[in-house]
Amino acid sequence: EVQLVESGGGLVQPGRSLRLSCAASGFTFDDYAMHWVRQAPGKGLEWVSGISWNSGSIGYADSVKGRFTISRDNAKNSLYLQMNSLRAEDTALYYCAKVKVRGVMVNWFDPWGQGTLVTVSS
Amino acid sequence: EIVLTQSPGTLSLSPGERATLSCRASQSVSSSYLAWYQQKPGQAPRLLIYGASSRATGIPDRFSGSGSGTDFTLTISRLEPEDFAVYYCQQYGSPGGYTFGQGTKLEIK
Repeated sequence: EVQLVESGGGLVQPGRSLRLSCAASGFTFDDYAMHWVRQAPGKGLEWVSGISWNSGSIGYADSVKGRFTISRDNAKNSLYLQMNSLRAEDTALYYCAKVKVRGVMVNWFDPWGQGTLVTVSS
Repeated sequence: EIVLTQSPGTLSLSPGERATLSCRASQSVSSSYLAWYQQKPGQAPRLLIYGASSRATGIPDRFSGSGSGTDFTLTISRLEPEDFAVYYCQQYGSPGGYTFGQGTKLEIK
């Protein structure tokens, strides 16, 4: 069974940094692109960033470009999101998601983890 | 950036009825890159439909997707109690990356 478990969320002051992790199991991690998607409280879904299986292709939403950095460690079956210069509008539940089809960057998200909550507030 | 607009915002129906949810794109979208997700309260989204019309693994056949170009539809043929949730459409478009619609809440009438 595929499992994605996010961690690293919490309360952080504006301007500070936070690093999220996503531990993957139940599939061959280094065969699949991975993504981060966030959901502000009571709001819809917003794609944040994605990374190909070999880290050769990376993309970011305009709202986080230059502040967030996605990375992965295939030896540890883990995905990361380094978030710097955090703003109040970054407050959200952050999900990691695996793409459905191995070997491709652009694809549908299946499945998703349960998310980790990031709250940016002074 | 391609904007996806879902309608209606809220749909009130009874179990056993047919639900039709719409997703309209601001410009043409490749059907290959159009997906639908279901999200229940307190849960992560779940992939329902990909490639505009293909059901994901384990999704009941009462769920179907259709459409092309700028107009896409998710249809639930006969609503079951567990189908009441929020539904999102999603597309991929370069260079903007992925975008989601704002969601349609399907509630029990």
